[in-house]
Amino acid sequence: DAKTTQPPSMDCAEGRAANLPCNHSTISGNEYVYWYRQIHSQGPQYIIHGLKNNETNEMASLIITEDRKSSTLILPHATLRDTAVYYCIVRVNYGGSQGNLIFGKGTKLSVKP
Amino acid sequence: NAGVMQNPRHLVRRRGQEARLRCSPMKGHSHVYWYRQLPEEGLKFMVYLQKENIIDESGMPKERFSAEFPKEGPSILRIQQVVRGDSAAYFCASSPPLAGLYEQYFGPGTRLTVT
Repeated sequence: DAKTTQPPSMDCAEGRAANLPCNHSTISGNEYVYWYRQIHSQGPQYIIHGLKNNETNEMASLIITEDRKSSTLILPHATLRDTAVYYCIVRVNYGGSQGNLIFGKGTKLSVKP
Repeated sequence: NAGVMQNPRHLVRRRGQEARLRCSPMKGHSHVYWYRQLPEEGLKFMVYLQKENIIDESGMPKERFSAEFPKEGPSILRIQQVVRGDSAAYFCASSPPLAGLYEQYFGPGTRLTVT
């Protein structure tokens, strides 16, 4: 699976959009971009994933560049409860077999009042 | 639909004892993964199981650690003769038995402390 690079930490004001970048310059054509987050002391929580089109769900939006070498996770209106470590993971579609997730160090997002 | 359940949530063992960690996947899920998170570090994959089969154990330490997912009952991660370095949070995740790529749903974790 391709390696990802994320800033170690970011701050965001409550109510503003949080934009979390991720570089995955060695991504290959069959690899998806996944985002998880881990709120302190809890199990990781799935947020969103995509292949090449932008995706949106009730939690966030995922913007993937046309060359797929980077992506941005957007939390449109960050709240204090969004303070967490956010992990960008690139993952191969094993076509029936599930495979494990490879977590890096992630970005520690601090939402401030 | 209940989420992934893990028990116990906290476990204290003395060096040399055995630790058994249980994971009940979400209803209908037959794929289970175990991850370990050492203090101040990221999650590391340990093992991937389907019912009665170990699919990938490439992340498991060679000694003292074993995992199973029987036909009936929860998945068990067993650590024999625990040492202080085994102190960590152990998370399990599950996913459905469907073709393709599906997200993994994580449990709340078991925090193991070895004294």
